[in-house]
Amino acid sequence: AQSVTQPDIHITVSEGASLELRCNYSYGATPYLFWYVQSPGQGLQLLLKYFSGDTLVQGIKGFEAEFKRSQSSFNLRKPSVHWSDAAEYFCAVGRDDKIIFGKGTRLHILP
Amino acid sequence: NAGVTQTPKFQVLKTGQSMTLQCAQDMNHEYMSWYRQDPGMGLRLIHYSVGAGITDQGEVPNGYNVSRSTTEDFPLRLLSAAPSQTSVYFCASSYSRGNHEQYFGPGTRLTVT
Repeated sequence: AQSVTQPDIHITVSEGASLELRCNYSYGATPYLFWYVQSPGQGLQLLLKYFSGDTLVQGIKGFEAEFKRSQSSFNLRKPSVHWSDAAEYFCAVGRDDKIIFGKGTRLHILP
Repeated sequence: NAGVTQTPKFQVLKTGQSMTLQCAQDMNHEYMSWYRQDPGMGLRLIHYSVGAGITDQGEVPNGYNVSRSTTEDFPLRLLSAAPSQTSVYFCASSYSRGNHEQYFGPGTRLTVT
């Protein structure tokens, strides 16, 4: 069955430090891949997506993600985090009309 | 464009009551879906629709019904509410079944006592 794993429930980084959030998926074929962000009490906003082509994709707010087929991974990165990046981040995979989300990683920022 | 709208924002139900969560989009999107969000569980797909008149089940469909009589609206019905259905419900839409770039509504917080 299709599944998405975000191994880190919580991550804490200092403001200005780099960030990497991990996402692994299990699916027979390469699915569509997404990262969404949810600020407290808000809905979800798309950060970036991968359908095909260049495996390094750029998103909004300075985020990027790299698709690695051999590792079934789609990790999210940002070179320097800001306090406003504190939120919950969800990886999602889409295939066959269904989009399945991981359980999320909550990002905390230390001043 | 209003995007994806959901009503109500908050609702409290007693066990056994029924209700309908409303979802509408004004972007002429073919694909619409419902998710529930629970702490530590992420978002789980309840039902989805690839177009008017077509619906299908997601990961957690039990206790919920949907219909899609128009492109714009995709209501979610709780037939007999249970405390396990206490959750935040999100509706989402995307341009087409192959696109999958979803736009989310603001959510409905439902409490079942």
